[in-house]
Amino acid sequence: AQSVTQPDIHITVSEGASLELRCNYSYGATPYLFWYVQSPGQGLQLLLKYFSGDTLVQGIKGFEAEFKRSQSSFNLRKPSVHWSDAAEYFCAVGDESNFGNEKLTFGTGTRLTIIP
Amino acid sequence: GAVVSQHPSWVICKSGTSVKIECRSLDFQATTMFWYRQFPKQSLMLMATSNEGSKATYEQGVEKDKFLINHASLTLSTLTVTSAHPEDSSFYICSARHRLKNIQYFGAGTRLSVL
Repeated sequence: AQSVTQPDIHITVSEGASLELRCNYSYGATPYLFWYVQSPGQGLQLLLKYFSGDTLVQGIKGFEAEFKRSQSSFNLRKPSVHWSDAAEYFCAVGDESNFGNEKLTFGTGTRLTIIP
Repeated sequence: GAVVSQHPSWVICKSGTSVKIECRSLDFQATTMFWYRQFPKQSLMLMATSNEGSKATYEQGVEKDKFLINHASLTLSTLTVTSAHPEDSSFYICSARHRLKNIQYFGAGTRLSVL
């Protein structure tokens, strides 16, 4: 069964500093990988996704993520965070064996706090 | 584009009553919709997958008679929590998979409080 691990429950970063959120996955084949962001009391917004091809993926709001098969990782990065980036971030893996109706398995999330 | 509307955003009900939550894809067709449950400060747990015109597929441990799902059209799925009890209080989130893309778009969620 697929699984996702986000080792950091809570991260605090100064505004303007760089950010990296870790995500490790367990999956037997090539995974479909996603990063979502959730503001308090809201649904999830897709930041970026990886299906195949270039392992460095660009997303919205200046985020990027790199797929590293050898490390089973899909870490999210941003060179300079803004106060509006404070939110909960979820990494997810999709089951390609049922392409088109794949279920997403989510990590437990990382809460990002931005300090002035 | 790709907006998913979920209604209501917050509902309070008495124990024993039923509550219906709607999930609509506003500007795209969704052959598949998903229903998730999220407990405070925890991740999303998939409850069921619904395909337009067919019965929903429930995840292990989810009571299909308590959580009734109907996906009558390409833009609407409903989740009915029947005979709700306080332990059903949670944040319920739906998502809709764009028919032409392999991406799930999420609604803003419904907070259910059962008294």
